[in-house]
Amino acid sequence: DTAVSQTPKYLVTQMGNDKSIKCEQNLGHDTMYWYKQDSKKFLKIMFSYNNKELIINETVPNRFSPKSPDKAHLNLHINSLELGDSAVYFCASSQDREVGYTFGSGTRLTVV
Amino acid sequence: TQLLEQSPQFLSIQEGENLTVYCNSSSVFSSLQWYRQEPGEGPVLLVTVVTGGEVKKLKRLTFQFGDARKDSSLHITAAQPGDTGLYLCAGVPSGSRLTFGEGTQLTVNP
Repeated sequence: DTAVSQTPKYLVTQMGNDKSIKCEQNLGHDTMYWYKQDSKKFLKIMFSYNNKELIINETVPNRFSPKSPDKAHLNLHINSLELGDSAVYFCASSQDREVGYTFGSGTRLTVV
Repeated sequence: TQLLEQSPQFLSIQEGENLTVYCNSSSVFSSLQWYRQEPGEGPVLLVTVVTGGEVKKLKRLTFQFGDARKDSSLHITAAQPGDTGLYLCAGVPSGSRLTFGEGTQLTVNP
């Protein structure tokens, strides 16, 4: 039973398309996150939701919109994809940020 | 400027050698976490240290939190090829959000 699962694993799409990445956690955690990992492996926070409420919204283009239908799910929708959006996107969850996060296995997005 | 500086960025060693990875900052952290990430996977939490001077051991891995809670180190004894991966430190500066270091890519050659 995967604790944090995200789909799809790989996503190849053309510039200008709209795509979604889904994330689900079965750990009962209150907080979920989206991170972007660039080609240099640096992890940068994009969004954080606590019990379906947005609590962190970093400087991310408006083309990125998170949606949390319930506290176990946090999806990421991206409009008008650009070449620079190519990266690995990770979903994560935590009960206490100071204790640690559980990450999904990532979605490698390639925009061509 | 990175809040958490990790060194070295890259490390390639032979099986059986010892190594230390460092995570440094000018800020005080309420806790520091260490993760290992393998290719095609997400980071996996190894340990969290919360008390200044704390030492935690996980088999051949020893983690230390600095007395002033501004730095941490990870020491691996008798490294194995299975230790290969990206090691990330992460911490919560007082009143702020979790921040990751840039990582140390470790390769252990058989």
